[in-house]
Amino acid sequence: AAGVIQSPRHLIKEKRETATLKCYPIPRHDTVYWYQQGPGQDPQFLISFYEKMQSDKGSIPDRFSAQQFSDYHSELNMSSLELGDSALYFCASRETGLSYEQYFGPGTRLTVT
Amino acid sequence: DAKTTQPPSMDCAEGRAANLPCNHSTISGNEYVYWYRQIHSQGPQYIIHGLKNNETNEMASLIITEDRKSSTLILPHATLRDTAVYYCIVRVSSSARQLTFGSGTQLTVLP
Repeated sequence: AAGVIQSPRHLIKEKRETATLKCYPIPRHDTVYWYQQGPGQDPQFLISFYEKMQSDKGSIPDRFSAQQFSDYHSELNMSSLELGDSALYFCASRETGLSYEQYFGPGTRLTVT
Repeated sequence: DAKTTQPPSMDCAEGRAANLPCNHSTISGNEYVYWYRQIHSQGPQYIIHGLKNNETNEMASLIITEDRKSSTLILPHATLRDTAVYYCIVRVSSSARQLTFGSGTQLTVLP
């Protein structure tokens, strides 16, 4: 079965650079969630989209922005990167009205040096 | 979402049943108990969910007490690949909102 695809899987950036993470949800899934997991921490919600509109917002820094496109894929844009942004970034998707669980991708490991 | 309490860690021998407890004493009548797990550095994975009746699927069984204030996730025959952090999450089933991960239980299956 198709799964959530995230790219890239690994990314190394320097401080003050920008990064773009991509998420391709499972076909027919209309809701996308982004989570951040720092070293030794539990996943923390950043932002979500439903039908290309932002539906909820968590502890996402102002330096980060995200959007969902017409094909339902989503991109998380991160600017002025800081050392503390080093983390695993997970995308999850869900098909509203049919499935209650969220399906997670393999994550993107971002390292800021 | 209701607050949950889980032990920080548990060990289980390979081939034996793993019983992971979760307390959720403030659960509301329309809230379900969900279990997810996260194998090291992988994306969290849905396991099972239930409202008040016991549930079973190919991965696990979920036992919810009659007063719904606690539950137990049972992995009937734990394998080394079941070593992971297990999260108990209480939420309204139809909610499209994000998952709120607590501290979870680190289950280590020992050979």
